[in-house]
Amino acid sequence: GQQVMQIPQYQHVQEGEDFTTYCNSSTTLSNIQWYKQRPGGHPVFLIQLVKSGEVKKQKRLTFQFGEAKKNSSLHITATQTTDVGTYFCAGNNAGNMLTFGGGTRLMVKP
Amino acid sequence: ETGVTQTPRHLVMGMTNKKSLKCEQHLGHNAMYWYKQSAKKPLELMFVYNFKEQTENNSVPSRFSPECPNSSHLFLHLHTLQPEDSALYLCASSPRLAGGNLYHEQYFGPGTRLTVT
Repeated sequence: GQQVMQIPQYQHVQEGEDFTTYCNSSTTLSNIQWYKQRPGGHPVFLIQLVKSGEVKKQKRLTFQFGEAKKNSSLHITATQTTDVGTYFCAGNNAGNMLTFGGGTRLMVKP
Repeated sequence: ETGVTQTPRHLVMGMTNKKSLKCEQHLGHNAMYWYKQSAKKPLELMFVYNFKEQTENNSVPSRFSPECPNSSHLFLHLHTLQPEDSALYLCASSPRLAGGNLYHEQYFGPGTRLTVT
């Protein structure tokens, strides 16, 4: 079945440093979604990417969808303590269930 | 955020008990989902309902039984659970299924933290 892998599993950064998490699918995706889950909270939808090579920005967050639509990345510029949480990608492919990656837990030292 | 509510928030049950989890969405959505989130595995989609009809059952054991009486309410009935079923159970909703098994963005509830003793 479809598998979605995310790396790294954990990341510690100093406040102000950049952060990137990578998502790789075993199959070509129709689209990919990104979610953020704060400690003790529930996943909150951030964005959906649909087109090959698509790049979208939300303030300090930049999301990319690979040309082959099998990988994606989330990059945060100049992290802040409010960025703490676990970031999940979710691969969406017609005929398959929505498949979540294992998540990258981001910790930010002030 | 009160778009999707879940009760109870915490539940401790023995392996012989029967209990139910409740989810209600106030967003006017037509698709509802049950997810399991445990420390050892990625977020797992368990059941999908679209316009009250179950469209997916992701090989979930029969000790978990979903019920969707209408587009706003979703239940998960639990019986004879195992300790490895202890996890956070999340309900989500979305406007509808996009067709061809494509999923719109998910709006999650706060979850029920389940402990099976």
